[in-house]
Amino acid sequence: GQQVMQIPQYQHVQEGEDFTTYCNSSTTLSNIQWYKQRPGGHPVFLIQLVKSGEVKKQKRLTFQFGEAKKNSSLHITATQTTDVGTYFCAGQRNTGKLIFGQGTTLQVKP
Amino acid sequence: DAGITQSPRYKITETGRQVTLMCHQTWSHSYMFWYRQDLGHGLRLIYYSAAADITDKGEVPDGYVVSRSKTENFPLTLESATRSQTSVYFCASSEGRGWVTQYFGPGTRLTVL
Repeated sequence: GQQVMQIPQYQHVQEGEDFTTYCNSSTTLSNIQWYKQRPGGHPVFLIQLVKSGEVKKQKRLTFQFGEAKKNSSLHITATQTTDVGTYFCAGQRNTGKLIFGQGTTLQVKP
Repeated sequence: DAGITQSPRYKITETGRQVTLMCHQTWSHSYMFWYRQDLGHGLRLIYYSAAADITDKGEVPDGYVVSRSKTENFPLTLESATRSQTSVYFCASSEGRGWVTQYFGPGTRLTVL
């Protein structure tokens, strides 16, 4: 079945360092969404990418959707302790169902 | 905000017992979803519903039953709980079938002994 793989599973960074998580699908996606889950919390929608090669920015966060619409990345510049949490990508095919990646848990050392 | 709520927030039960997890949303969203979250597996879709009286299986539906008699409620029942169903369960809703933002409830942490 369709899979969405996300790497790395865990990442520890020093505050101020950059962070990137990658999301790869075995099939072409119609769109991809990114969610953030704080420790003990619930997933919260961050952004949706729809177009091939799309790049969107939210302050220090940069989201990219690959040209083939099979991969995506989230890059955080100069991490802060408030960035701690698990970041999920979720890919959708034309069939409609949203498939979540396993998530990348980010720890930031102050 | 209390747009989507889940109850109970924590539940401990024993193997073989029936358990129902409740989900209520106040936005009148058409679509509702149940996910389970386990370490290493991310969020896996159990069941979803496109509207009242319309439900469909997700990725891991075995051992679960859902119903949706009213748009705002989407209960999830474990008919005979097993230890492998120990997990955190999230309910979510959206105006469309994943094409737009999914709003998640606070989650229910279920432990099956």
